[in-house]
Amino acid sequence: NAGVTQTPKFQVLKTGQSMTLQCAQDMNHNSMYWYRQDPGMGLRLIYYSASEGTTDKGEVPNGYNVSRLNKREFSLRLESAAPSQTSVYFCASTVGDYGYTFGSGTRLTVV
Amino acid sequence: QKEVEQDPGPLSVPEGAIVSLNCTYSNSAFQYFMWYRQYSRKGPELLMYTYSSGNKEDGRFTAQVDKSSKYISLFIRDSQPSDSATYLCATHYNQGGKLIFGQGTELSVKP
Repeated sequence: NAGVTQTPKFQVLKTGQSMTLQCAQDMNHNSMYWYRQDPGMGLRLIYYSASEGTTDKGEVPNGYNVSRLNKREFSLRLESAAPSQTSVYFCASTVGDYGYTFGSGTRLTVV
Repeated sequence: QKEVEQDPGPLSVPEGAIVSLNCTYSNSAFQYFMWYRQYSRKGPELLMYTYSSGNKEDGRFTAQVDKSSKYISLFIRDSQPSDSATYLCATHYNQGGKLIFGQGTELSVKP
C-alpha cells in the first residue's frame, strides 16, 4: 500500500522555468491538498480539492495552478518559477475526520 | 496573528524526560485537534487526534485540549532518542475540513 506518492523528490529550476509536481494516492480518498513548508512558517495550504472535479485556493495560491485529473491524482503547476517558490512541497489526502496522509515531499530550489 | 501559534523551539531534553509541547489557537469554532510528527526529510504523520476538550492517551503520548483557554498540549513520557522530530499541532473547523497548522516545534532527545 503506497499511500500518497509524490514525484519528483528533488528539483532545481531556473527562474522563469515551469514544472508540474505530481501527486497520486491509492486510498480512495476524496480530498487532496498541496502544502508548502518553509522554515519558521509551518505548513501553508496552497490549493485543495474537496472532491474530484473541484479545486479551491488556500492561503498562498499566487504563482500556482492545480489540476484534479481524477480521484487519484492532483497536480501542482508552477508556470514561471521564482526564487520565492523555493520550498518543500507536500501533497496530502484525507477522507472524513481521520486526519491527513502526507506524501514524502518534493524539495524544490529555484535559482 | 496566526490562527494557531506554536513555539518553534528547538527543545532539547535528556532521554527519559517528560516533554510538554504546546499550542494556542484563536478561533473558538475549531473542534478537531491533531498532533503530527515529522522526522527529518519526511512527510508529517498523524500521531494523535482529539475532538473537543479533554485528554486522550496512547502509550507514552497524551494529548490534552482545553477549549476554555484555547490551549492544546502534547505530553511525551519517558522520552526516547527516537522521539526526536518536529511536532506540529493542527486543527480544523469541521469533519474533513482544511487543516491549519502551527509552525512546528523541533524536539531533540539526547541519549
